[in-house]
Amino acid sequence: EDKVVQSPLSLVVHEGDTVTLNCSYEVTNFRSLLWYKQEKKAPTFLFMLTSSGIEKKSGRLSSILDKKELFSILNITATQTGDSAIYLCAVLYNTNAGKSTFGDGTTLTVKP
Amino acid sequence: DGGITQSPKYLFRKEGQNVTLSCEQNLNHDAMYWYRQDPGQGLRLIYYSQIVNDFQKGDIAEGYSVSREKKESFPLTVTSAQKNPTAFYLCASSTPGLTGELFFGEGSRLTVL
Repeated sequence: EDKVVQSPLSLVVHEGDTVTLNCSYEVTNFRSLLWYKQEKKAPTFLFMLTSSGIEKKSGRLSSILDKKELFSILNITATQTGDSAIYLCAVLYNTNAGKSTFGDGTTLTVKP
Repeated sequence: DGGITQSPKYLFRKEGQNVTLSCEQNLNHDAMYWYRQDPGQGLRLIYYSQIVNDFQKGDIAEGYSVSREKKESFPLTVTSAQKNPTAFYLCASSTPGLTGELFFGEGSRLTVL
């Protein structure tokens, strides 16, 4: 059975801290791994990772994929209260349907 | 502006009633999806559709039904057969052959009284 496991499930930090969110997966027919941020309702896309070892970066956020060890990490440096959200990891299957399996998410709370 | 519109945002229903959630997109995406989100859990796939007049069951399709008569529209009916319908429902669309990222609507929160 395909699995996507995120850790930790929740995390509380203070502004300025650096956090690392983890996502491991066991799926057949892997195509890509995607990270989304869900602040209130609609998740928004952060990164898509397809190749191992290539870091994707956007401002204070960065992510990398290890296809040998089957995991990805999402780093957030110098956290701000606006980073408080649920961070979702999803694996996209290599089919035409665009089907994805999501992890349970990591709830990040950044305190002032 | 292009996007996905879900309605209603909040919905209450009594046990035994069917309810239909609307999802409309103007992104010209071929594929559309319905996900369910429960507290402390990620998104679970209910149904998805790659093209008009075709759809497939996801991981938790029991008690739900869909239709895809138009490219822009993918309504979800929560039937009385769904044992635990109270949840947050998210509709999404994508262009699987190009990028694969999902574009989400704002969601519909269904509460069964």
